[in-house]
Amino acid sequence: GIQVEQSPPDLILQEGANSTLRCNFSDSVNNLQWFHQNPWGQLINLFYIPSGTKQNGRLSATTVATERYSLLYISSSQTTDSGVYFCAGTTSGGSYIPTFGRGTSLIVHP
Amino acid sequence: EAQVTQNPRYLITVTGKKLTVTCSQNMNHEYMSWYRQDPGLGLRQIYYSMNVEVTDKGDVPEGYKVSRKEKRNFPLILESPSPNQTSLYFCASSLIDPGFTEAFFGQGTRLTVV
Repeated sequence: GIQVEQSPPDLILQEGANSTLRCNFSDSVNNLQWFHQNPWGQLINLFYIPSGTKQNGRLSATTVATERYSLLYISSSQTTDSGVYFCAGTTSGGSYIPTFGRGTSLIVHP
Repeated sequence: EAQVTQNPRYLITVTGKKLTVTCSQNMNHEYMSWYRQDPGLGLRQIYYSMNVEVTDKGDVPEGYKVSRKEKRNFPLILESPSPNQTSLYFCASSLIDPGFTEAFFGQGTRLTVV
């Protein structure tokens, strides 16, 4: 199966700072998504972004499918942004078993 | 409201005592799946189902069973739980459509097997 690498594995920010999280795939992927897992364990959809750029408030994401990577931007971070960010995708061959990265753990200090 | 509902949220059980974790979605999604999440290993798929009476193994199916008798429900069954099945479990659903297969996740079930 495909390999998914997320970087950085850990990130500590001061409130108000900006950050960029990266997701690299070893092969072409479909159905790329970004999720946020809050400190209570709940998984929340952030973006469904197989290609292009999307924005939602302070968050935006860009996927460059031809180069097999995706970026998640967090601007003006808040303490509520803390948690773990995951990317996941399925291979172009039609598999319905998504592969998740191991996540980026983000802590935002007040 | 579109949602995926799992029950229970928390469960502590003893080794060998059969248990079922329920999952229900109200979005008429064809595709449903179960994941387990373990520290350092991320989310791994246990089983998935592409429609009623159609199920298949994911990456880590050993020790689990599933059934899909109705489109909205996809229970996860542990016939004889063992301590290595202590984990955080998620159910998810999505449409099967090459152009749109965004996944929606339940709230999670934290299982402890002692």
